[in-house]
Amino acid sequence: QVQLQESGPGLVKPSETLSLTCTVSGGSVSSGSYYWSWIRQPPGKGLEWIGYIYYSGSTNYNPSLKSRVTISVDTSKNQFSLKLSSVTAADTAVYYCARGGIYDYWGQGTLVTVSS
Amino acid sequence: QSVLTQPPSASGTPGQRVTISCSGSSSNIGSNTVNWYQQLPGTAPKLLIYSNNQRPSGVPDRFSGSKSGTSASLAISGLQSEDEADYYCAAWDDSLNGRYVFGTGTKVTVL
Repeated sequence: QVQLQESGPGLVKPSETLSLTCTVSGGSVSSGSYYWSWIRQPPGKGLEWIGYIYYSGSTNYNPSLKSRVTISVDTSKNQFSLKLSSVTAADTAVYYCARGGIYDYWGQGTLVTVSS
Repeated sequence: QSVLTQPPSASGTPGQRVTISCSGSSSNIGSNTVNWYQQLPGTAPKLLIYSNNQRPSGVPDRFSGSKSGTSASLAISGLQSEDEADYYCAAWDDSLNGRYVFGTGTKVTVL
């Protein structure tokens, strides 16, 4: 059974960089069959796809966030990571990591609050 | 900034059939398959339907999906109290180098 677990700071100051890591167990980020993705959900709102990374390192980002997002992968640790720069209060959300293309496995999510 | 449009709410009594619509365009639903997710309060979304009408292992056959043109729908038959949740449709969108787009979400209430 594939499991994903997000980790990282729950509080980030405005203008700083949000950094999260997703640890995968029961499966490999080196698998060529899946996209390893980040998705977020502001409190009380809907889901927003942030982007994905393929095991080869190729990435694809949501155009609305592209200038601020970097997703990377560490195959040796079976992890992938998210960096979102220049955050504002609008970036406050529950951040999920998930396995794509059909997003059949999700992490439990981690709330990141942007506040001074 | 959701690209797929769903009704904000739907409701029914136990045992009834509820249908949720999802409207998109030629670049998403019109050219790619649709997935549906169920999100119970305080939990991560769960894949409910994939490839328009396929159920993952463990999903009851009360849940069914369909697609026609640039729209899709999710049907819940024999509504149960544990079906009270938010439901999201989603699809890959071929515009702008490709991105995954979600629907606006529908809150299903069991009366």
